[in-house]
Amino acid sequence: QQQVKQSPQSLIVQKGGISIINCAYENTAFDYFPWYQQFPGKGPALLIAIRPDVSEKKEGRFTISFNKSAKQFSLHIMDSQPGDSATYFCAAKETGGGADGLTFGKGTHLIIQP
Amino acid sequence: NAGVMQNPRHLVRRRGQEARLRCSPMKGHSHVYWYRQLPEEGLKFMVYLQKENIIDESGMPKERFSAEFPKEGPSILRIQQVVRGDSAAYFCASSRYRGDNGANVLTFGAGSRLTVL
Repeated sequence: QQQVKQSPQSLIVQKGGISIINCAYENTAFDYFPWYQQFPGKGPALLIAIRPDVSEKKEGRFTISFNKSAKQFSLHIMDSQPGDSATYFCAAKETGGGADGLTFGKGTHLIIQP
Repeated sequence: NAGVMQNPRHLVRRRGQEARLRCSPMKGHSHVYWYRQLPEEGLKFMVYLQKENIIDESGMPKERFSAEFPKEGPSILRIQQVVRGDSAAYFCASSRYRGDNGANVLTFGAGSRLTVL
């Protein structure tokens, strides 16, 4: 059972464009939603995270949009740059209980074309 | 301040051998998590440990896999009698406190890539 579904699997965006990656979750107890960025040969690194008490969070060119009723959240990368080319993972966690681990989506391979 | 250190970075084993993966958490971190990443898959939580204690092993296969985090030294993920399906990247993460909730961020190592021939 996949509790966090991520799409698309791969994405190609022109430099300067907007990259959008979507995730949907099933467990309504999830209350923490981080996004991780992973470069080849490296471990994932926290990019940005959101809690369900807000509908949007922005940090620089990265924005998370959160729709609690639809159980969906998305990552938007504005003015995408070649250096943003990486694999992006959404994740979710129930912070007040449940398992100690994060539940990850399967990842999105993002390529920004110069 | 070194990050999370994992070794070996690459490990090749033949079926039936044992694999030992080591993880030294960041300085000041006493909470360690192991995740497995299969090709084209997201990371799957395996086990969470504090010093000398396994706190949550809900994602750990029941057989052949074990983990420890001794009082002194790195955390070790041990896989006995490896099979080809164990081929994956194994990531360790550490944190200062329990859980990843925004206020207590997980820091991941670069991973150990196990290949079983």
